[in-house]
Amino acid sequence: DIVMTQSPDSLAVSLGERATINCKSSQSLLYSSNNKNYLAWYQQKPGQPPKLLIYWASTRESGVPDRFSGRGSGTDFTLTISSLQAEDVAVYYCQQYYGTPYTFGQGTKLEIK
Amino acid sequence: QMQLQESGPGLVKPSETLSLTCTVSGDSITNYYWSWIRQPPGKGLEWIGYIYYSGSTNYNPSLKSRVTISVDMSENQFSLKLNSVTASDTAVYYCAPGQGGGWFDPWGQGTLVTVSS
Repeated sequence: DIVMTQSPDSLAVSLGERATINCKSSQSLLYSSNNKNYLAWYQQKPGQPPKLLIYWASTRESGVPDRFSGRGSGTDFTLTISSLQAEDVAVYYCQQYYGTPYTFGQGTKLEIK
Repeated sequence: QMQLQESGPGLVKPSETLSLTCTVSGDSITNYYWSWIRQPPGKGLEWIGYIYYSGSTNYNPSLKSRVTISVDMSENQFSLKLNSVTASDTAVYYCAPGQGGGWFDPWGQGTLVTVSS
């Protein structure tokens, strides 16, 4: 199985400041034939299902605010919220879909400082 | 717009079989691979497996011996059966379609299944 490891486990950031969450995979998620990284990011608020934010490591889902961005390649990826808003308080997960079983990171809890 | 709704018993006894159904509206069940994902209370996400409308399946090896996913095209539904459950199977169970390369969107609201006598 591909192991996904996120850091940090929790993060407190002031409103308006930048938040960065890291995700590392145990093997490369870059598929050479199409040069795409098979990685997605989700946001989960309490009592709600996860919501897709980003796929292909850096493609923002329709309707997701542009303060959310994803980057990285191979085994190292980041999700950045450029200017934290109160509604961004949530747990964030990365997920690899390079191969089955699909696997998720353990989650990063983002709070307001 | 696609919507998904999980349904089934919220309480299952140890050693019995957990059975859930996901009803899809707003799109055809023939258009995607359909997954079950679970989340124990306060913990992370675990992919259980997926099915295609043809009946082709792919299960997480960690659960493969106990899982069956089936599809009912006439009802636009797919189902999960997990047998020989224990307390560690207590979780919120979600259904979701696999998009593009394999991300999940949208998700059902989820249903909590508690395994307890």
